[in-house]
Amino acid sequence: EIVMTQSPATLSVSPGERATLSCRASQSVSTNLAWYRQKPGQAPTFLIYDASSRATGVPARFSGSGSGTEFTLTISSLQSEDFAVYYCQQYNNWPRTFGQGTKVEIK
Amino acid sequence: EVQLVDSGGGLVQPGGSLRLSCAASGFSFSSYIMNWVRQAPGKGLEWVSGIVGSGGSTYYADSVKGRFTISRDNSKNTVYLQMNSLRVEDTAIYYCAMHNYGFQYWGQGTLVTVSS
Repeated sequence: EIVMTQSPATLSVSPGERATLSCRASQSVSTNLAWYRQKPGQAPTFLIYDASSRATGVPARFSGSGSGTEFTLTISSLQSEDFAVYYCQQYNNWPRTFGQGTKVEIK
Repeated sequence: EVQLVDSGGGLVQPGGSLRLSCAASGFSFSSYIMNWVRQAPGKGLEWVSGIVGSGGSTYYADSVKGRFTISRDNSKNTVYLQMNSLRVEDTAIYYCAMHNYGFQYWGQGTLVTVSS
């Protein structure tokens, strides 16, 4: 099983500032990596696929990068709706696995 | 418009069974891998099971292997999760999700509570 590790666990950022989230895989997943945002009480929503492609309707302030075992999600200018929990997930191998999540909170 | 509607959750005693359903619409259902993902109260996301479009291959997390069975009926555009020998630690919101370069679409979730 591929273990996905996200850091930091919590990120405190002021509105309008930049946030950088990291995700590491225990073995290579190529670029078969997705990012999700989950707001309280809601299902996750799809942000990034193939490590760096934005899903339909996702604002340009979200960008993803990386390949192999190291990945990054950057939110260039945090909006109020971006204060949430973010998960990375690999879909290179079965079982599919998620990171434990990074909570982005208001500083 | 793509829609996934999860149903079938509820309160069940340890050792009991439950069958979840996910009704899909708005896309060519038989062409996509479908998954179940769960989230225990206050915890992160855990992938549970997946099934390919034809139903010919299924996959499970170790935590549910031998107890849960995923299936699909492409004539009804529905995916199921049969959950047997339920444990307290299976308590969670269960989401179905459609795979398309990641889990592109999610259901609203259905709550399963395992308690005596």
